[in-house]
Amino acid sequence: KQEVTQIPAALSVPEGENLVLNCSFTDSAIYNLQWFRQDPGKGLTSLLLIQSSQREQTSGRLNASLDKSSGRSTLYIAASQPGDSATYLCAVSAGGYNKLIFGAGTRLAVHP
Amino acid sequence: DADVTQTPRNRITKTGKRIMLECSQTKGHDRMYWYRQDPGLGLRLIYYSFDVKDINKGEISDGYSVSRQAQAKFSLSLESAIPNQTALYFCATGKTSGAHNEQFFGPGTRLTVL
Repeated sequence: KQEVTQIPAALSVPEGENLVLNCSFTDSAIYNLQWFRQDPGKGLTSLLLIQSSQREQTSGRLNASLDKSSGRSTLYIAASQPGDSATYLCAVSAGGYNKLIFGAGTRLAVHP
Repeated sequence: DADVTQTPRNRITKTGKRIMLECSQTKGHDRMYWYRQDPGLGLRLIYYSFDVKDINKGEISDGYSVSRQAQAKFSLSLESAIPNQTALYFCATGKTSGAHNEQFFGPGTRLTVL
């Protein structure tokens, strides 16, 4: 059974720091991995999607990597800002119907 | 306007009541999903549908039912609500496009069962 784990569960950093959020999964047979941002009362916003054949994806200050063989992904946020404060979720797409399996998330607080 | 909308956004109800949560999308996607999120946990899949005539159970479907009235609408019902169904409920859509299963989420419905 696929399980997704995110470490750390919570993180508080000063503005300007570069930071790394970690995601691990137990079964390497995935189609893709998706990183989401969750803001209170606003649902989930898709940040990056990495196909199983890809190693990384970049969008602005965000870079996500995927090492399928070791079951790991990292989300790198450069020069963090208070507006980056949110919960970050990773999810892997697997199974016959491509369902998403989510980690519990990392709650990030960036303080001025 | 939002691509995926959910109504209501918040609902408080009592044990034993029947509740319906509604989801509409303007993205033209064929796939629709219902998830629930509990504090400190990731989202878990309740039901999913790949087409108007297609309904499938997810990992936690007990106590729930769904209806896909049209490609753009997917509703979730709790026939007799119980307190442990208190959670944040999300609807999502996706497009059948090989393995590229990117999903797009609505804003969520916060349900409290007293």
